[in-house]
Amino acid sequence: QQPVQSPQAVILREGEDAVINCSSSKALYSVHWYRQKHGEAPVFLMILLKGGEQKGHEKISASFNEKKQQSSLYLTASQLSYSGTYFCGTMGGTSYGKLTFGQGTILTVHP
Amino acid sequence: DTGVSQNPRHKITKRGQNVTFRCDPISEHNRLYWYRQTLGQGPEFLTYFQNEAQLEKSRLLSDRFSAERPKGSFSTLEIQRTEQGDSAMYLCAIDTPMGPTSSGANVLTFGAGSRLTVL
Repeated sequence: QQPVQSPQAVILREGEDAVINCSSSKALYSVHWYRQKHGEAPVFLMILLKGGEQKGHEKISASFNEKKQQSSLYLTASQLSYSGTYFCGTMGGTSYGKLTFGQGTILTVHP
Repeated sequence: DTGVSQNPRHKITKRGQNVTFRCDPISEHNRLYWYRQTLGQGPEFLTYFQNEAQLEKSRLLSDRFSAERPKGSFSTLEIQRTEQGDSAMYLCAIDTPMGPTSSGANVLTFGAGSRLTVL
């Protein structure tokens, strides 16, 4: 079942912060975050594993609440380059690259 | 360059025609994935290969779809008798472990995709 992302869209000024949430109805092993710019491939940002391990982007942080089956992506001091659509992808077990993606959150950063 | 090359980037076809997309990972990878992305949605898993073997197929992959990876390197996705509902971006991806292989921390690297428009 597809995870649900919120909000659907965010508009920011440069330097402002944003939080994007991802919620699943199924038990999760890991949560992956990707950013996609228009006409381009989704690009990996962050992976959060059951047990608290995180790997990914230096300037972006995220949290993973295993009990609530939720993850949040924190974008601080946003830059113009942060604009794009953010997707969370969830994995219920160690099934390698088979992810179930949310519907996406469109982030727009203005000067 | 994402490490995964896809061709063609765009394909416009008439309903009922067959189309084929190709995916070429730059380096050797055991696992290769196909996803489909429709406008305004996240990517949806279609199928994946472990070397030459197609190990899993989504229910989204109807009988009109066939994927191959004959030598365990490049892969093709063919759609026969295309329908307007097939219009989408078809993404190929490889995965790379970010930690010990037992951790399951595999990251997908996507190609730029092949956009299909069925008229």
